[in-house]
Amino acid sequence: RKEVEQDPGPFNVPEGATVAFNCTYSNSASQSFFWYRQDCRKEPKLLMSVYSSGNEDGRFTAQLNRASQYISLLIRDSKLSDSATYLCVVNRVGPGGGADGLTFGKGTHLIIQP
Amino acid sequence: ETGVTQTPRHLVMGMTNKKSLKCEQHLGHNAMYWYKQSAKKPLELMFVYNFKEQTENNSVPSRFSPECPNSSHLFLHLHTLQPEDSALYLCASSQGRTGELFFGEGSRLTVL
Repeated sequence: RKEVEQDPGPFNVPEGATVAFNCTYSNSASQSFFWYRQDCRKEPKLLMSVYSSGNEDGRFTAQLNRASQYISLLIRDSKLSDSATYLCVVNRVGPGGGADGLTFGKGTHLIIQP
Repeated sequence: ETGVTQTPRHLVMGMTNKKSLKCEQHLGHNAMYWYKQSAKKPLELMFVYNFKEQTENNSVPSRFSPECPNSSHLFLHLHTLQPEDSALYLCASSQGRTGELFFGEGSRLTVL
């Protein structure tokens, strides 16, 4: 099983719709989870951290399911500007069990259509 | 001024050339990274520097040689590259190994 797996898409979604995508991770000891956003030919930028209890930032909601080892991102009322690649990021676990850097998924490509 | 700046933004080189990529961070972070991003592949971590000491080298071929003279500058020296090394090379910095990563805009490298 890959360390971090995402459906690459593309997800083609009409403007205003709600879209959700998941990401699975292999190491049950991972403690930190993030969603990064990468626009075409640009660098990745942090979108939001994912907390155990789930968290919301405007139209974006992130959830963590430790039992099934997946995190999700929900985007409500999607805008054209949401078109991007969304990268799932999970912390690596070092030999001593502590966090040791980050592992990126391949990303999910989202296209919002007018 | 952006937090992490990379130069050059674009580079075309032949397989026998020697060139260098430069990264500078203005955020006061103590960790710096080189990542490689190829088409249809996840970001691949190449090197990590923590307080200007190399703490990780992810089995990167010796034709890539990093240099970190201080905690705010990072270089990637390139020599005798192969066409398959063509990719976007991203520099990043963070405060600690688990802090948010701040990326530069990347150096897009084409090896002919």
